[in-house]
Amino acid sequence: QKEVEQNSGPLSVPEGAIASLNCTYSDRGSQSFFWYRQYSGKSPELIMFIYSNGDKEDGRFTAQLNKASQYVSLLIRDSQPSDSATYLCAVNLAGGTSYGKLTFGQGTILTVHP
Amino acid sequence: NAGVTQTPKFQVLKTGQSMTLQCAQDMNHNSMYWYRQDPGMGLRLIYYSASEGTTDKGEVPNGYNVSRLNKREFSLRLESAAPSQTSVYFCASSDPGFQASYEQYFGPGTRLTVT
Repeated sequence: QKEVEQNSGPLSVPEGAIASLNCTYSDRGSQSFFWYRQYSGKSPELIMFIYSNGDKEDGRFTAQLNKASQYVSLLIRDSQPSDSATYLCAVNLAGGTSYGKLTFGQGTILTVHP
Repeated sequence: NAGVTQTPKFQVLKTGQSMTLQCAQDMNHNSMYWYRQDPGMGLRLIYYSASEGTTDKGEVPNGYNVSRLNKREFSLRLESAAPSQTSVYFCASSDPGFQASYEQYFGPGTRLTVT
């Protein structure tokens, strides 16, 4: 089992719909969780981080964390074509607490079609 | 404030050639990282440097060496390039003083092809 695993894509949603991106992680002691967005040919950029159980909202984005189930998700409401990108889940695994090491999932490609 | 810069942006090497990828950050971050990104593989950590003067192996260090020249600069060297090292290389930095600061800031990437 991979340490950080994302739902396989690609994911295609119509404009205006909710896109749901999922990520599971193996280390129960993990502390911090991040969602990065990466446009084609560009570098990753942080869109959300969460470290407490529950939901965290920022505009059209909601991150959800369930540590008991070792699951973190990202919901994008009112999806726009400009949201089309690869979304990377990253986890600060318990063993990597030092120095801010992050372990990344393989990424999920999201396409929002008009 | 340029953030994280990388040079070169593109490079083509022949098998067996060597090269150094340069990375610099102007955010006064303590930690720096080198990743490679291959299709469908996400980002895989090659080496990282927790602070000036220290370096450690990541998930895929074979075939690479690094130097943390000072707090700003962290270079990645390929001593004898192989086609399997064809990839996009990203440098990142962070200042993990507390949880929220585990955010990593990425450079624009170097697209390397080894023929």
